[in-house]
Amino acid sequence: RKEVEQDPGPFNVPEGATVAFNCTYSNSASQSFFWYRQDCRKEPKLLMSVYSSGNEDGRFTAQLNRASQYISLLIRDSKLSDSATYLCVVNDGGFQKLVFGTGTRLLVSP
Amino acid sequence: EAGVTQFPSHSVIEKGQTVTLRCDPISGHDNLYWYRRVMGKEIKFLLHFVKESKQDESGMPNNRFLAERTGGTYSTLKVQPAELEDSGVYFCASSHSEKLFFGSGTQLSVL
Repeated sequence: RKEVEQDPGPFNVPEGATVAFNCTYSNSASQSFFWYRQDCRKEPKLLMSVYSSGNEDGRFTAQLNRASQYISLLIRDSKLSDSATYLCVVNDGGFQKLVFGTGTRLLVSP
Repeated sequence: EAGVTQFPSHSVIEKGQTVTLRCDPISGHDNLYWYRRVMGKEIKFLLHFVKESKQDESGMPNNRFLAERTGGTYSTLKVQPAELEDSGVYFCASSHSEKLFFGSGTQLSVL
């Protein structure tokens, strides 16, 4: 079983749609959680950290459920520029030893 | 401010050859990481330096891989001898806190 599981997609949505991605992780000792964005043939870039209380950054909302070991990302009012692969990432303990999911691909169409 | 830079961006070598990848972290970042993504798989941790010391090298696949960070500045990752399964994208990242900054990666193709 993978440490971080994501639906690979692709998710095809029209502009303006709301889309949600989910992710589960296996290590209950994981300490911190992130969503990264990766454009085609580019490096991963931090989109947002994920906190237990839930957090929002503009059109993006991230939630964490430690009991279920589940992380989500909600994107509202999708833009064409949101098309990318979204990586669910977990820090397995100290010093940023990150564990990546395989990513969920999002395609936003006009 | 310059980001994390990696060289070369692409490398094509034959099985059995040696390749050295270089990473220049963001100035002032003590933490430097190497990650790798092989085709169709997730990005995986290779190792972590704090300054010139290896903090964690648990992700290094085998002894054909050697990472160094002399002087605590730039780092090199040498693969010797390269095998077909070493093909992939090698990412370097640096940080001084929780947020990691990734380089654009080196695409390694072993033929």
